[in-house]
Amino acid sequence: AQKVTQAQTEISVVEKEDVTLDCVYETRDTTYYLFWYKQPPSGELVFLIRRNSFDEQNEISGRYSWNFQKSTSSFNFTITASQVVDSAVYFCALSEAFRNQFYFGTGTSLTVIP
Amino acid sequence: GAGVSQSPSNKVTEKGKDVELRCDPISGHTALYWYRQSLGQGLEFLIYFQGNSAPDKSGLPSDRFSAERTGGSVSTLTIQRTQQEDSAVYLCASSLRAVGSQQYFGPGTRLTVT
Repeated sequence: AQKVTQAQTEISVVEKEDVTLDCVYETRDTTYYLFWYKQPPSGELVFLIRRNSFDEQNEISGRYSWNFQKSTSSFNFTITASQVVDSAVYFCALSEAFRNQFYFGTGTSLTVIP
Repeated sequence: GAGVSQSPSNKVTEKGKDVELRCDPISGHTALYWYRQSLGQGLEFLIYFQGNSAPDKSGLPSDRFSAERTGGSVSTLTIQRTQQEDSAVYLCASSLRAVGSQQYFGPGTRLTVT
């Protein structure tokens, strides 16, 4: 079974639109960490955010915001007023505290059209 | 400071040959990870090291794959008798601690088996 599901394979939006990337995870651990990474066309993965399972507070960083909801096992990522530079593949990942293995979703390819 | 580096950046090899891929993690990072990313796919976990030991080898696809880490630093991923299905980008990442830490990724080695 997939530990991390990113159901949206590809999304296209027009510049300045808002877009939400979905991430649903599965774990039996009570202590775990969730991550989002960005992989631009250049290929190198860039860390965006880390949340631990005890902190459900939503976070905003500039045009980026994250909505963590344990009740639905989701950790969604919203980009507000998207820009062409946001075009990339975005990966959601899960790390369980007692098994040091990262589980990555299959990624969502975002294209922002000027 | 320097990030994670990998060499070579590109490797073309003939089917049946052995290859070695190298990863230099960020200095002081105790955990090191290897992933494989096939074209248009997510990240497939291969193996991780805590120091020089690899507590989890479950992700290695076959016994043709092996990895070692020496001095708590450099790691080498070796693929013996390469097959065409081994063609992929091999990514290395390191993190400060084992559990729940942000991973810093290298640029990857693109392996093509002809």
